[in-house]
Amino acid sequence: SQQGEEDPQALSIQEGENATMNCSYKTSINNLQWYRQNSGRGLVHLILIRSNEREKHSGRLRVTLDTSKKSSSLLITASRAADTASYFCATPLYNFNKFYFGSGTKLNVKP
Amino acid sequence: DVKVTQSSRYLVKRTGEKVFLECVQDMDHENMFWYRQDPGLGLRLIYFSYDVKMKEKGDIPEGYSVSREKKERFSLILESASTNQTSMYLCASSNSRGNTIYFGEGSWLTVV
Repeated sequence: SQQGEEDPQALSIQEGENATMNCSYKTSINNLQWYRQNSGRGLVHLILIRSNEREKHSGRLRVTLDTSKKSSSLLITASRAADTASYFCATPLYNFNKFYFGSGTKLNVKP
Repeated sequence: DVKVTQSSRYLVKRTGEKVFLECVQDMDHENMFWYRQDPGLGLRLIYFSYDVKMKEKGDIPEGYSVSREKKERFSLILESASTNQTSMYLCASSNSRGNTIYFGEGSWLTVV
């Protein structure tokens, strides 16, 4: 499989704490993306990091990429109850005609 | 605002029925996808299409077919629904640059 794999599978934290989730992938990539899915809904794009970037920020989100280890991490700072969702990493393959997703990290932020 | 619309949010079908799941995107995207999502298994790619009338199998195409007669529309067809096809189905689209994939809200299919 070409899928990315997220770790941990589930994470439970208190509001205000930081949440870190990791993604490992198998093949060379052009970019890696993180998505969020609220329960029972579609996925929503959060952030994209290109293979020549090491770190990227967007609001309370910080993404890092280590291409030598084929891994990425997503950090959500000062988490809120509204951040409760599943988070997926995705890697487009070939000529961007395919996206592969991992199984996701289920984040629960307790108020 | 970008939009991927799945025609049915919830469906209940009987074993053996032919099922059509319709998806429309308004972003003029070249690529369209059908995924299936099951607990613990993440998103699995069923089929994708990179142009009108073009399609390629994903990881789990068995029991499914697709149709893309127009650029904006991508249909998933279950020729003879079975109970193991009970799942959430997600349609998505992207442009050829692969920057972002946009998802519909999902279709919950129950086969009884």
